[in-house]
Parts: sequence; C-alpha cells; structure tokens
Amino acid sequence: QKEVEQNSGPLSVPEGAIASLNCTYSDRGSQSFFWYRQYSGKSPELIMSIYSNGDKEDGRFTAQLNKASQYVSLLIRDSQPSDSATYLCAVNLIQGAQKLVFGQGTRLTINP
Amino acid sequence: DTEVTQTPKHLVMGMTNKKSLKCEQHMGHRAMYWYKQKAKKPPELMFVYSYEKLSINESVPSRFSPECPNSSLLNLHLHALQPEDSALYLCASSQDQQGLGSYNEQFFGPGTRLTVL
Repeated sequence: QKEVEQNSGPLSVPEGAIASLNCTYSDRGSQSFFWYRQYSGKSPELIMSIYSNGDKEDGRFTAQLNKASQYVSLLIRDSQPSDSATYLCAVNLIQGAQKLVFGQGTRLTINP
Repeated sequence: DTEVTQTPKHLVMGMTNKKSLKCEQHMGHRAMYWYKQKAKKPPELMFVYSYEKLSINESVPSRFSPECPNSSLLNLHLHALQPEDSALYLCASSQDQQGLGSYNEQFFGPGTRLTVL
C-alpha cells in the first residue's frame, strides 16, 4: 500500500461545477495534511492545510479530513478554468523521520 | 513574506561539470528541503536540513552534495551528473521539521530546471 494515494484522474469538470479530489493515507499517526496546486512548468503552491477532523473552508476551497477513515479531500466550488492544474495531496508522516510525502497528483481540467 | 528564491532558473551542464544550485529564504524558517521532480511525478524528497544540520538523506547518490551555510541558505552541489538526473529541483522551507500543524507547512521556491547532456 502506498503511503499516500490519490484518485488517479485525469478529472474533467465543467466550469461552475464542484470539483472533488480525494486522498487516502496509511500512517494512522499523521496529524498534518496539505493540498498543493501545481500549474504546468511551475512549482507546487500550498493552497490548504488541515489538522483537525471536519471541514475547513477558504474561499472556494474546502478541505475535509476524516482521521478514522484516513481520508482527506478537497472540494473546489464554482470551478474556474484557472483552477486547471495538478493537485497534490501531502501528508506529514511521523513514523520514522518526520517528512512530507506526496500522492501522485490528480490532474484537473475545467472546461469552459 | 512567504518567498523562497532559487537560482539559477535554468541550468544546462555536461556530465563532467561541477555546478551549484542555490536557495534562500527570509521567513526565519529552521527547516529547509531539496526535492527532485520529474515530469508528471510528485516531488521526491532528497535532503532535509533542520537547524542547519543534515536531518534526512534519502539515499541520494554522492554526486549530489547538500550544504547549509546558515539558516537562510541552502546549496546543492552537483558533480558528474548523469542524463537521468535532468529534472526540476525544488527547494522548500518550513518553520520546523518536527512539531505539528502550521510548523510543517512547506513553501516551495520556483525551482531550477536542470538539463544534463
């Protein structure tokens, strides 16, 4: 089992709809979870962090965390073409040396 | 200021060259990281420095040599690289390597696009 897994994508969503991105992780002790957005040819940009069970909203973005199910998700409401990018789920693993582990990424395309 | 800077933006080098990548942050962060990213893959951790000491080396070949001259600077020295080392090299920093929550938020620089001929 991979340490961090994301739905493989690519994901195509019409403009104005809700995009849903999912991620599961294997380390039950993990406490810190992040979503990065990466445009083609650019570096990853941190867009959401979540540390407690439940929902965290920031503008059009909502991160959801369920530690019992070892599941993190990102919802993007009112999707815009500018949201087209690869979204990386990252989990701070604490087994052994503490480090950030990334999922494979989900490529999201918003169709006008 | 949440900026991490990296130089150069692009680098082309031969297999016998020696070059260095540089990274700088002025956020007072005490952990700095080097990642390697190949096309359509996630960033892959190479090294971690915590309080200017090497904390993690992810079994990186010795042709990559990291250096942390002070808490704001991180270098990656390159020597005798192979064509398969061509990739985007990313530097990141966080408030701390250990701890929880926002301490672990990592901010990435723009990267250096390296091509080895």
